[in-house]
Formats: sequence, structure tokens, C-alpha cells
Amino acid sequence: DTEVTQTPKHLVMGMTNKKSLKCEQHMGHRAMYWYKQKAKKPPELMFVYSYEKLSINESVPSRFSPECPNSSLLNLHLHALQPEDSALYLCASSLGTGLSQNTEAFFGQGTRLTVV
Amino acid sequence: DAKTTQPNSMESNEEEPVHLPCNHSTISGTDYIHWYRQLPSQGPEYVIHGLTSNVNNRMASLAIAEDRKSSTLILHRATLRDAAVYYCILRGVGGGSNYKLTFGKGTLLTVNP
Repeated sequence: DTEVTQTPKHLVMGMTNKKSLKCEQHMGHRAMYWYKQKAKKPPELMFVYSYEKLSINESVPSRFSPECPNSSLLNLHLHALQPEDSALYLCASSLGTGLSQNTEAFFGQGTRLTVV
Repeated sequence: DAKTTQPNSMESNEEEPVHLPCNHSTISGTDYIHWYRQLPSQGPEYVIHGLTSNVNNRMASLAIAEDRKSSTLILHRATLRDAAVYYCILRGVGGGSNYKLTFGKGTLLTVNP
């Protein structure tokens, strides 16, 4: 199984709503990533988890709250978002961060988020 | 973060080889060169990566200059399904943020039938 599964595929939420995005992988990967991608732009890194600990936060606003409950799951909790947060949110995983683990990252198909 | 420079767009004809260049003059000794591509409406997909030697896999070949300041992704026979944005990324290892996978603007490859 070389898949990264993201749910839901599409999400429409109001600015006062609370919602969560979910990402799952069963490849034994210990590094997991959240990216945000606006139309016709490259993916922008938001967060990196390494061994279930947050290792990188790219100065993301606190209305985005990541969580890694176990080595297979990654969540992104959303609260009080703005319309400009509408984007494709991508999850990825890779083996790890060490020298021998500089292998490929696997990406999910993303969650298309619309904030109204 | 080490930076890469790629042409904004390139065009190819079906069944012809494609050479996608990437400049990375500030590469460090422990940075690996990764290539990903993103087809329309899909998440990025790994293509190939290497450190110093040229690499081949079922999808493509990666030619790395001797000084490692540039590399070229080679698609041997382009198909319509290869039309995508191709990203060249430098990825480090170890502590801090060296292992981040940071995307640049990439090259939009158009394949003509």
C-alpha cells in the first residue's frame, strides 16, 4: 500500500465553523507534512511532523491547528478561517528525516477547501 | 533554503525526448536533488532523485553535472500523459529544517500530439 489517503475530498465551510481534515498512511513513514496550494501556484509547506512531534511550523496562523495522534494519522483542525484560506490542502509522508531516509515523499490527492 | 531555477514552460512533441533543466548553484554537499511532477487536479508525484551520480528509473533519467550546480530531468519518449508541472527540489537531511521539501515555481511541460 503506497497511498496517502485524504478525507474529505471537498469541503465547504463558513467562517465561524470548525472542521478537520484527515490524512492517513500505512507505509510506516515517520515524517508527515501539510501543504497549502492556491490555484496555479506551487504547494507551500505549512507543517512537518517527525516521529509524531511537530518539527516545523512555517509561521502558519493559529486558525490552522495540526495534530498527529499516531504514526499513521495526521489531522488539520480548522477554525475561524477566512475566504482567502480557500485552497487545495495536500498531505504527504516520507520515510523519515535521516541521511538514509532521503527517499521519496508520497502525496495525497488533497482536500479542496472553500471558505464562504 | 537552497534555491532552484527552472524555465517557466517548455514544449515537446509526443514520442520525442524531453530535457528539463534545473540550476542549483548554491547546493550544499548533503542536498539531494529531487524531481516531482504534478498533473492537473492531482497531488504531486515523485519522479526521481539523486545525489551525485546519474540515476535511471522506469519514469525518467536524472543527469547531474559534475559540480552539482545543475541537473537535467530526461523523459526519453514524452507522452500526452507527461504534460504536467515539473518541480526540481533540493532536499537536505538531518536536523533543523534541512529535510524540508520546498517547491519552487516549476516548469510547465506541454506535450503536443
